[in-house]
Amino acid sequence: DGGITQSPKYLFRKEGQNVTLSCEQNLNHDAMYWYRQDPGQGLRLIYYSQIVNDFQKGDIAEGYSVSREKKESFPLTVTSAQKNPTAFYLCASSNTGGPSFKNIQYFGAGTRLSVL
Amino acid sequence: GDSVTQMEGPVTLSEEAFLTINCTYTATGYPSLFWYVQYPGEGLQLLLKATKADDKGSNKGFEATYRKETTSFHLEKGSVQVSDSAVYFCALSDLGRGSTLGRLYFGRGTQLTVWP
Repeated sequence: DGGITQSPKYLFRKEGQNVTLSCEQNLNHDAMYWYRQDPGQGLRLIYYSQIVNDFQKGDIAEGYSVSREKKESFPLTVTSAQKNPTAFYLCASSNTGGPSFKNIQYFGAGTRLSVL
Repeated sequence: GDSVTQMEGPVTLSEEAFLTINCTYTATGYPSLFWYVQYPGEGLQLLLKATKADDKGSNKGFEATYRKETTSFHLEKGSVQVSDSAVYFCALSDLGRGSTLGRLYFGRGTQLTVWP
């Protein structure tokens, strides 16, 4: 079945530690996204990538980093510079360009990150 | 810039009651509009969409009509069920309005709880 796989489902970070969240998709989508979800604040865009080896900052990129070495994979690293990392992180993917009815974002099941 | 304003929750209803969740947007031109649903502990799923003025999106008994004159896309369902309990997000896309990506701008989400 096609879809987006995020792992792990739960993750704990110690002070000063970097952690990496995995996102893999087999939908053959060009674009991938990372969102952060906090209670009552909706989804905020962290980073996005339209093609391999290229990515752009979203609205809240500080303290995060990404890479896009393969079309299928878009890992997110939460660095020690992110002082308030506790949140639910969602990865998504979509086609790009083309008619708008094809431009639907598909989401993974999320990773819940907590600080020890 | 683009933005979405959603009715604040939580919304609590009895089974078989009528549901309306208000959504208004700010954007130039004619953005595509979406409703996504998030069940507890899961990622977001597309519920319905509309790509031009006066379009009506519908799915699983939910409906929303794209109203350009009032810049609205209110979600409605005639008779809710306990299984509809979830968080609902309104979103718009910037695809085709100076963007080939189709970035989504989300509202803050509305928590719906349906009691038997």
